[in-house]
Amino acid sequence: SAVISQKPSRDICQRGTSLTIQCQVDSQVTMMFWYRQQPGQSLTLIATANQGSEATYESGFVIDKFPISRPNLTFSTLTVSNMSPEDSSIYLCSVATGGSSTDTQYFGPGTRLTVL
Amino acid sequence: GQQVMQIPQYQHVQEGEDFTTYCNSSTTLSNIQWYKQRPGGHPVFLIQLVKSGEVKKQKRLTFQFGEAKKNSSLHITATQTTDVGTYFCAGASGSARQLTFGSGTQLTVLP
Repeated sequence: SAVISQKPSRDICQRGTSLTIQCQVDSQVTMMFWYRQQPGQSLTLIATANQGSEATYESGFVIDKFPISRPNLTFSTLTVSNMSPEDSSIYLCSVATGGSSTDTQYFGPGTRLTVL
Repeated sequence: GQQVMQIPQYQHVQEGEDFTTYCNSSTTLSNIQWYKQRPGGHPVFLIQLVKSGEVKKQKRLTFQFGEAKKNSSLHITATQTTDVGTYFCAGASGSARQLTFGSGTQLTVLP
């Protein structure tokens, strides 16, 4: 397993601003992911954060809106840019400790974002 | 693309009653995973099933993977208030590069 922390745990932001969420893992992992979970809904994968290269985004998510950094194997950031109320959600990072993106995933505690 | 559906969406039970949630995939899965998310919490891994027809137990929880590897179930015997939360299945087909999470079943246990 892995221990994952996220900062901030929650934030309230104004429309048009940007927020950067940090994800820290207690061990080196290859596979790190960012998810969005709207209230009462399932998890939607935003992107896979790749160390040393650009993130791989899922359909409906673009780099200009959700830039991701992955400077090393224990850390990643997700920025939610030019926010609107529709971006209000919980953002979760996760890691897969096996070698595959479809292996068991361990999640951080999440960042609850409210956009006014 | 791959779709994973769960039923029911919501379930209310009296403490002590049994509970079952079902997971159905549109494609054959290489494995199925189950996660539990407590209210206000994050998803926590429970178990992974890999083999066709596999059955695994964790105390009061019984997990099954269908023979065709397209469906799965989670059964809780004699529910307790600590079982409250949303249960998600997640799976991937052989060619998929990501897990697809099911829609989830929200369990409420009434004392």
